[in-house]
Amino acid sequence: NAGVTQTPKFRVLKTGQSMTLLCAQDMNHEYMYWYRQDPGMGLRLIHYSVGEGTTAKGEVPDGYNVSRLKKQNFLLGLESAAPSQTSVYFCASSLGEISNQPQHFGDGTRLSIL
Amino acid sequence: ELKVEQNPLFLSMQEGKNYTIYCNYSTTSDRLYWYRQDPGKSLESLFVLLSNGAVKQEGRLMASLDTKARLSTLHITAAVHDLSATYFCAVEEDSGYALNFGKGTSLLVTP
Repeated sequence: NAGVTQTPKFRVLKTGQSMTLLCAQDMNHEYMYWYRQDPGMGLRLIHYSVGEGTTAKGEVPDGYNVSRLKKQNFLLGLESAAPSQTSVYFCASSLGEISNQPQHFGDGTRLSIL
Repeated sequence: ELKVEQNPLFLSMQEGKNYTIYCNYSTTSDRLYWYRQDPGKSLESLFVLLSNGAVKQEGRLMASLDTKARLSTLHITAAVHDLSATYFCAVEEDSGYALNFGKGTSLLVTP
């Protein structure tokens, strides 16, 4: 029962470097999400996708790009990392708009930008 | 802009005591979710509340939703140490696509 799998779990980057965070789900969910969690801020939505090939901006999209080429995968990219992007990143997925089911979360990626 | 406010943000309570966490929100949404997060861990779904007057209970936790007051409560009965965690409420946006999370209530249950 894998659910939502995020890779990597930890990463340290230098300012200006780029990287991609991978999220994979095996529940055949339509919707996928990327959040960041910062101390005292709760979770804030970065980008989301309501189906393969579609993406949309969330509350804090600047500095990030996403792609959903396959239904089961949702990638989050940082083109030029900045210290302000130091955070814990969570991926989530859900069945869809009419499912009345909660979002399922991955274990998170802890990212530090030096 | 949808706002979700939880209070208190920090709560220390003794084992055996009762307490309520409040979640106020600014939209007319009738879909609200409660999650639990242990330190360094992921978020675990606790309750899904989908209509006015909805009440769900699991063990020592009971959640309710009043959409007219735009208020949800998470009531803790006879707290035990294992309930120590951070609890988040999240409200579904009108678009139906995304959740807006409160800042979380960090609960510590002490002997």
